[in-house]
Amino acid sequence: NAGVTQTPKFRVLKTGQSMTLLCAQDMNHEYMYWYRQDPGMGLRLIHYSVGEGTTAKGEVPDGYNVSRLKKQNFLLGLESAAPSQTSVYFCASSMGTRGQAFFGQGTRLTVV
Amino acid sequence: EDQVTQSPEALRLQEGESSSLNCSYTVSGLRGLFWYRQDPGKGPEFLFTLYSAGEEKEKERLKATLTKKESFLHITAPKPEDSATYLCAVRSNMNYGGATNKLIFGTGTLLAVQP
Repeated sequence: NAGVTQTPKFRVLKTGQSMTLLCAQDMNHEYMYWYRQDPGMGLRLIHYSVGEGTTAKGEVPDGYNVSRLKKQNFLLGLESAAPSQTSVYFCASSMGTRGQAFFGQGTRLTVV
Repeated sequence: EDQVTQSPEALRLQEGESSSLNCSYTVSGLRGLFWYRQDPGKGPEFLFTLYSAGEEKEKERLKATLTKKESFLHITAPKPEDSATYLCAVRSNMNYGGATNKLIFGTGTLLAVQP
């Protein structure tokens, strides 16, 4: 069972470059999320989606955009990367509003 | 504002030395408290969900309990393979500008079990 798969696993960007992180889930979950994890800050929600074609802002959305064109995929875009976006990014999915979230393995992004 | 605080930040145990991790929370209507385990370089792995005060869940050497203000993760006779960061998260009824399904995470407890 693949669960939640993130690509790429590692990436180094120069300031101002753009990139897209891909998240794919094979559990037919309605809800998908993007989090960032920084030392001492815990996991913080960037954007989330409650179904295909829907997206919404989370706790720290600035500098990021997302799209959910297919139910199984949730894309996170950085239009103009900044050093403050150096972090580990996690995608997660859940069936509904009460169940647990399943996480991917993470993408370690460094912006220099 | 909903908040989750975990303590201690780090804990070092000898193999077989039982202990507990704490997760204190303030939420507007708890819709679930979740415990996750995270190994270095990996994503969080789900352990338990608790929904109401008095509820308990067990899995091998781990036991999670819940009161109206906090949750404990009890580790009985830990082994080195239990070494990891343990994360606590809550889901509440509060509407964060539309983010009604938001999971609020604590910063975790880093557990090291020495042989």
